[in-house]
Amino acid sequence: SQQGEEDPQALSIQEGENATMNCSYKTSINNLQWYRQNSGRGLVHLILIRSNEREKHSGRLRVTLDTSKKSSSLLITASRAADTASYFCATDSGSRLTFGEGTQLTVNP
Amino acid sequence: GAVVSQHPSRVICKSGTSVKIECRSLDFQATTMFWYRQFPKKSLMLMATSNEGSKATYEQGVEKDKFLINHASLTLSTLTVTSAHPEDSSFYICSAREPKQGAQHFGDGTRLSIL
Repeated sequence: SQQGEEDPQALSIQEGENATMNCSYKTSINNLQWYRQNSGRGLVHLILIRSNEREKHSGRLRVTLDTSKKSSSLLITASRAADTASYFCATDSGSRLTFGEGTQLTVNP
Repeated sequence: GAVVSQHPSRVICKSGTSVKIECRSLDFQATTMFWYRQFPKKSLMLMATSNEGSKATYEQGVEKDKFLINHASLTLSTLTVTSAHPEDSSFYICSAREPKQGAQHFGDGTRLSIL
């Protein structure tokens, strides 16, 4: 297993449903960051959650962090077709980010 | 709006050409910038960490003479792919770390195609 493994690899849902993506990691972290990437584009920063935080919200996004289980989840509520993208978690050790393999989310209209 | 600007967005050139990619931090001064490479449907692979005013730190397996990095100012880092060959074709993305919050912001990437 690699740092920042994500689950599931692919997720297909209907518009209006919630989408949950999970991320597990192995080493200690300063913070964990979630990113979104549309096909052929750069990454858009979504949320940063620090190692001493357990939950964070931003609009329709909710991120949790469980450092005892070394895992994080990203919840997108009331999904829209425009949310279709790849989502990556990245663990920050202080000197670098290490990315997971990503979850491809497809939201069907 | 974008906080990191990367240019060009797409390059198509002949084998043997050297290609320079620029990464600019627009909203903050970045002492540290990062260069990544991404293969189709894969995650980002860190190539090197670019430090303002000093030499870049390269990841294992990345040829420093092949991928020249210059970080001459607090807002600009450049990656030059020297004597590019078809196997260098890829999507290259830069990022800059916000000094206070620590979040990394990414450019839009450069699609490099070597014929």
